[in-house]
Amino acid sequence: DAKTTQPNSMESNEEEPVHLPCNHSTISGTDYIHWYRQLPSQGPEYVIHGLTSNVNNRMASLAIAEDRKSSTLILHRATLRDAAVYYCILKGGGAQKLVFGQGTRLTINP
Amino acid sequence: DADVTQTPRNRITKTGKRIMLECSQTKGHDRMYWYRQDPGLGLRLIYYSFDVKDINKGEISDGYSVSRQAQAKFSLSLESAIPNQTALYFCATSDHDTLSSYNEQFFGPGTRLTVL
Repeated sequence: DAKTTQPNSMESNEEEPVHLPCNHSTISGTDYIHWYRQLPSQGPEYVIHGLTSNVNNRMASLAIAEDRKSSTLILHRATLRDAAVYYCILKGGGAQKLVFGQGTRLTINP
Repeated sequence: DADVTQTPRNRITKTGKRIMLECSQTKGHDRMYWYRQDPGLGLRLIYYSFDVKDINKGEISDGYSVSRQAQAKFSLSLESAIPNQTALYFCATSDHDTLSSYNEQFFGPGTRLTVL
């Protein structure tokens, strides 16, 4: 499984945008980029995923570099509820396993 | 009601005891997974099952066994618990694969297991 690299922690303020980076220089052509987050005392939950094009959903946006060696999860207007550990995961087409790294612990200041 | 439930939510046991953690889902998914999470770390896959007749080892299956009793139920057993199996255990489910490989995993609330 290709490896991802994320900062251990980030901090932002409420109602400001947050950009969470992820490096995946060994990504293969069939790997999808998935983001999950884990709120305190809960199981992980899906946030967004993409292959090549930027993606938007109600929770976040995913910006994927043209060479696909990095991506950025964008929370447009952070709330206190967005404080969580965010995991960037690569998963090949057909593969069923999610391989979690240590993720980025996001702190949101009021 | 939660789609993925785990019982018990908390368990304290002693070294050498046999422990079973249970997972049930109402999402109608074929695929189920067991993960463990140690403090400050991400989740690691223990076992996964693509359907009732299919069981696969994950990256850390030693010391664990599983049983897929029905589509909706997937149990994890520790045959002889040891202290380094103290961790948070998560069950997850997902639908079968599609051409887009989009098969979001849905996680239960977790079981906190302490082995003394």
